[in-house]
Amino acid sequence: EVQLVESGGGLVQPGGSLRLSCSGSGISLNSYAMHWVRQTPGKGLEYVSVIYSKGNSTYVADSFRGRFTVSRDKSRNTLYLQMSSLRVEDTGIYFCVRDLFGMDVWGQGTTVIVSS
Amino acid sequence: DVVMTQSPLSLPVTLGQPASISCRSSQSLLYSDGNTYLNWFQQRPGQSPRRLIYKVSNRDSGVPDRFSGSGSGTDFTLRISRVEAEDVGIYFCTQGTHWPRTFGQGTKVEIK
Repeated sequence: EVQLVESGGGLVQPGGSLRLSCSGSGISLNSYAMHWVRQTPGKGLEYVSVIYSKGNSTYVADSFRGRFTVSRDKSRNTLYLQMSSLRVEDTGIYFCVRDLFGMDVWGQGTTVIVSS
Repeated sequence: DVVMTQSPLSLPVTLGQPASISCRSSQSLLYSDGNTYLNWFQQRPGQSPRRLIYKVSNRDSGVPDRFSGSGSGTDFTLRISRVEAEDVGIYFCTQGTHWPRTFGQGTKVEIK
């Protein structure tokens, strides 16, 4: 069974940084484009970023560009989302999502709370 | 950004009856490769989203055939032919044609 497992969420102060990780079970993340998506009660689902399987090509949505960076460690079969200059409104559940004919398999999510 | 508008946002249904959810996009989702990248997801309470339908009308593996998708261009529909208790949850559409990817607001399906 394909499973994605996010980790690294937690409580952080405004202006702080956090690195989220996503690992795969039964799946080589290196073979797929991988996305990050955020879910919040107020705004619902928001698209954050993608990293392609070939090379290190990435895209980060305007709302997050300059603050969030996506990367992967192919040797560890792990995806990362480096978040900096965090704001209260960045609070939410962050999911990593595989791309197969579009976003398909989602992890269980990791919760980020930005609060003083 | 492409705006995805779902209706209704709340859908009380009777067990065994059909249900239908509309999703409209602010721009055509027809991509230059001839495909239309419109997907439907189900999110049960306390769970991660699960994809039901990809490229408008293709059911994912393991998805019951009571779920079907249709549409083209900017107008899409998810249908449940006979609602079962396990279908309770939030359904949302998402487009994979334009950047950034965007999502509908979600439709909450509940049993009357």
